[in-house]
Amino acid sequence: GAGVSQTPSNKVTEKGKYVELRCDPISGHTALYWYRQSLGQGPEFLIYFQGTGAADDSGLPNDRFFAVRPEGSVSTLKIQRTERGDSAVYLCASSLRDRPLFFGPGTRLTVL
Amino acid sequence: SQQGEEDPQALSIQEGENATMNCSYKTSINNLQWYRQNSGRGLVHLILIRSNEREKHSGRLRVTLDTSKKSSSLLITASRAADTASYFCATDATLEQMTGANSKLTFGKGITLSVRP
Repeated sequence: GAGVSQTPSNKVTEKGKYVELRCDPISGHTALYWYRQSLGQGPEFLIYFQGTGAADDSGLPNDRFFAVRPEGSVSTLKIQRTERGDSAVYLCASSLRDRPLFFGPGTRLTVL
Repeated sequence: SQQGEEDPQALSIQEGENATMNCSYKTSINNLQWYRQNSGRGLVHLILIRSNEREKHSGRLRVTLDTSKKSSSLLITASRAADTASYFCATDATLEQMTGANSKLTFGKGITLSVRP
């Protein structure tokens, strides 16, 4: 595709449930990033992949959050035992090394 | 935590006027970038300035960087109603990669710009 795509665009779940958010980066982009944005705030870094490996996961808030990128392309952000405080827009971005980030439209997660 | 602090938080101007937005940060950086966001989704990269640069232009955009004051400004000249959006500065503090590689951008809270037709 022409840009970064994220699915689903909206996800409503109940407290305690498990969710998976998917990101399809721009073809050929080696770097992939997950950010989280709460209302009225700027994006907050979660994790960064260079290829298949997580180069920096220091932004993941706790062990309920996990992300994978098994083949160095598509990535999945997994959240276990969701809490209401996890509600936010989850943004994915990709880039070539040393180049600016291209962001996807985000997945709006609502935990009831 | 958010390193960048944009100023003002909100700006309303008339079409045709210039818009100036400021960003301050706390730690040493490799580069600073400005992004734009419409309707709370999908940020778009506008311009990147490296720590060894002082000024950069791109179309109607002009960005300056003062590393001694740890601040940057974004100027949009001859604004249009379509420039209405939120603008964020983001810093990359990966000092060991002076070529400008992104690893972990830290965003500010953003500035809401409204351009009245």
